[in-house]
Amino acid sequence: AQKVTQAQTEISVVEKEDVTLDCVYETRDTTYYLFWYKQPPSGELVFLIRRNSFDEQNEISGRYSWNFQKSTSSFNFTITASQVVDSAVYFCALPHTGNQFYFGTGTSLTVIP
Amino acid sequence: DGGITQSPKYLFRKEGQNVTLSCEQNLNHDAMYWYRQDPGQGLRLIYYSQIVNDFQKGDIAEGYSVSREKKESFPLTVTSAQKNPTAFYLCASSIPGQGAGNIQYFGAGTRLSVL
Repeated sequence: AQKVTQAQTEISVVEKEDVTLDCVYETRDTTYYLFWYKQPPSGELVFLIRRNSFDEQNEISGRYSWNFQKSTSSFNFTITASQVVDSAVYFCALPHTGNQFYFGTGTSLTVIP
Repeated sequence: DGGITQSPKYLFRKEGQNVTLSCEQNLNHDAMYWYRQDPGQGLRLIYYSQIVNDFQKGDIAEGYSVSREKKESFPLTVTSAQKNPTAFYLCASSIPGQGAGNIQYFGAGTRLSVL
């Protein structure tokens, strides 16, 4: 069965600090994808990144970076020099057959100015 | 602009009443999904549809019903059998595929409360 664990329920940081959001997953699939989504206060989930299990290279997009490690079944998300606009709930997700997404319980990030 | 429109934004249900949440997309996606979000529980799949006139139950389908008569539309009915309907409901769509990994795009959600 698919399972995604986001152990950090809430995180608060001061603006310009770096912050890492953890995601640990379980799957019996040999190939799979992992996703991160952002949910701002408006409620709509915004797609951030998709990663294929074949590709363990870290990815950087502006202030965002992702560290994928199959050996520890983790797909962690780091925001560098955080900003108030980064305040949101962040979800890690693992799709299964039929593109059914299994979401973690989310990490609520508050960036304090 | 292409996107997913959910309406209404807020909805109130009386005891014993069925209510229908609307989801319309103009992304030309074949697959559509309904999720329920409760505080601290993440998103859980209610129903999904890979193609018109076909849909499957997700993990928490009891007390809900859907239809998929048009590609653009996937309405969700919360029936009186759903005893705890208060939640935030999100609709999503994606290109189809038998495998997993297609990006799902989400609407802005409907917040349902019980009077």
